[in-house]
Amino acid sequence: LAKTTQPISMDSYEGQEVNITCSHNNIATNDYITWYQQFPSQGPRFIIQGYKTKVTNEVASLFIPADRKSSTLSLPRVSLSDTAVYYCLVGERTSGTYKYIFGTGTRLKVLA
Amino acid sequence: GAVVSQHPSRVICKSGTSVKIECRSLDFQATTMFWYRQFPKQSLMLMATSNEGSKATYEQGVEKDKFLINHASLTLSTLTVTSAHPEDSSFYICSAPGEDLLHEQFFGPGTRLTVL
Repeated sequence: LAKTTQPISMDSYEGQEVNITCSHNNIATNDYITWYQQFPSQGPRFIIQGYKTKVTNEVASLFIPADRKSSTLSLPRVSLSDTAVYYCLVGERTSGTYKYIFGTGTRLKVLA
Repeated sequence: GAVVSQHPSRVICKSGTSVKIECRSLDFQATTMFWYRQFPKQSLMLMATSNEGSKATYEQGVEKDKFLINHASLTLSTLTVTSAHPEDSSFYICSAPGEDLLHEQFFGPGTRLTVL
């Protein structure tokens, strides 16, 4: 059972800001929230990671409220090349191993 | 950032044969690696955790005799699909956790397996 819930798909237009929200109600105290991007026939690519509040890097921002039960990935001014599947991941520690269980991901389609 | 490679990137084999897929951490050591499979238009499904120097840990429903995993060194894990059948055709992806404390994982580029 996936630990995260995201919208299945989203459409946007070039130049717009896209916000993808992820729900992770059962996040553990030590868990980080990580977002990955995946293009067809490629491995997932790291976008951003955070623990609480706001994190920003050169490609995205991640907003995490105080209760950490959700997070929002913000992509500023998307382009056609941002069309991909975006996964929100929360690690799962079991028997000393920290692993990821993927949810459905959000299929973002950027339109011209 | 750290790089994970996979070989081959694409393989086609006949039904009944075995196929080996390699996963390497190129510039860091990985005592643990993970293997996923992904069907078209679906999410990644974790198959197993590969542990250097010990047996792999398989997720529920994954046949360990079907998908043999060997983690022979700190930079190499292999997945062997034994007696492959057309339903094993899929995209196989490995990952390895980074060496820092942020729980980031580095994914390989994937291997497309087609069983005829």
